Amino acid sequence: EPEVTQTPSHQVTQMGQEVILRCVPISNHLYFYWYRQILGQKVEFLVSFYNNEISEKSEIFDDQFSVERPDGSNFTLKIRSTKLEDSAMYFCASSVGTGWSSNQPQHFGDGTRLSIL
Amino acid sequence: EDKVVQSPLSLVVHEGDTVTLNCSYEVTNFRSLLWYKQEKKAPTFLFMLTSSGIEKKSGRLSSILDKKELSSILNITATQTGDSAIYLCAVENKAAGNKLTFGGGTRVLVKP
Repeated sequence: EPEVTQTPSHQVTQMGQEVILRCVPISNHLYFYWYRQILGQKVEFLVSFYNNEISEKSEIFDDQFSVERPDGSNFTLKIRSTKLEDSAMYFCASSVGTGWSSNQPQHFGDGTRLSIL
Repeated sequence: EDKVVQSPLSLVVHEGDTVTLNCSYEVTNFRSLLWYKQEKKAPTFLFMLTSSGIEKKSGRLSSILDKKELSSILNITATQTGDSAIYLCAVENKAAGNKLTFGGGTRVLVKP
């Protein structure tokens, strides 16, 4: 069964450094998302992306965050200058679409655990 | 602001028991309610519910949505130790980039 893949599985970075988290969504999916889960807390929405642009972002997704689909298969999340509070599990998700007759769920990758020191 | 509340927070049952998990929600532009199972890593999809009163079933798991009460339940019958996990409920907002708002989850532990 096709799945969303994320790399790396664990990233350790010094505070203030830039980090890029990578995701390969399921191949026929058109909508892409990033979520994060701080240890012991709820899964939180960061951003959704469709047709090469952001369709929605949360308050968490400030100027330090950016997303990109650099080619036909990858979807990346960049954090420009990491803070201690960015430490979390980051999940990428994708879905086929939201047409009238094709209401399909979001499927999640295994996540990247980001640890900021 | 969209909101999802799940109950109970956690429960411990023995193999063969039946469990019922609850989810209540508030969302401005409802598209769907989803249930996910989270073990060690990724939330894995269980059910997507869009219409009220129609039960969805997959093996020993079933779920139903009540749009009037803004709630859903997830039932697991004849529980097995492999059902031990955190069960997440989320609502999808169709006017906000399809974002999912998650509840805090219910932790289920099934003892042999």
